[in-house]
Amino acid sequence: GAGVSQSPRYKVAKRGQDVALRCDPISGHVSLFWYQQALGQGPEFLTYFQNEAQLDKSGLPSDRFFAERPEGSVSTLKIQRTQQEDSAVYLCASSPIMGNTEAFFGQGTRLTVV
Amino acid sequence: GQQVMQIPQYQHVQEGEDFTTYCNSSTTLSNIQWYKQRPGGHPVFLIQLVKSGEVKKQKRLTFQFGEAKKNSSLHITATQTTDVGTYFCAGGYNNNDMRFGAGTRLTVKP
Repeated sequence: GAGVSQSPRYKVAKRGQDVALRCDPISGHVSLFWYQQALGQGPEFLTYFQNEAQLDKSGLPSDRFFAERPEGSVSTLKIQRTQQEDSAVYLCASSPIMGNTEAFFGQGTRLTVV
Repeated sequence: GQQVMQIPQYQHVQEGEDFTTYCNSSTTLSNIQWYKQRPGGHPVFLIQLVKSGEVKKQKRLTFQFGEAKKNSSLHITATQTTDVGTYFCAGGYNNNDMRFGAGTRLTVKP
């Protein structure tokens, strides 16, 4: 595809349920970021990959959050035992090279935990 | 830790007035990027500044990067209703990390 693709676009989960959010970055992009955006707030950093290596996961709010990018392309953000405070839009962004450069964002996955 | 502060949180202007949003980092940045997010949309890249003291212009938008590479500003001259949205700065750090400010939500009254 031409851009970063995220799925699903919307997810409603019952409290305690596990969810998996998928990100397909632009082909060949080295860097991949996950952000959490609460309503009316800026994107909060969760984690960062360079190819398959997870270089920074300091933003993951708890050990219920787990991200992987096993082959250096598609990434999955998994949230176990979802809580209401996990409700947010989860944004994925990729950039073509190592080092800071323009990041291309997906449309995001809106997660609502009920 | 790496943190980017952005002010103001909201700005409401009359069409034709100017608008400025400011970002400050707790540590020196390798670069700074600016993004615009329309309501219901995702952040879209506007520009990147890399050099100390750099100034770049895009039509009515002027972007500045501070001499110490710890602060930046975005100034819009003579706002239009199409400028409505939230403007985010994103600080790039030497470890290739990127941290966003909380954003400034701009509303423009016609």
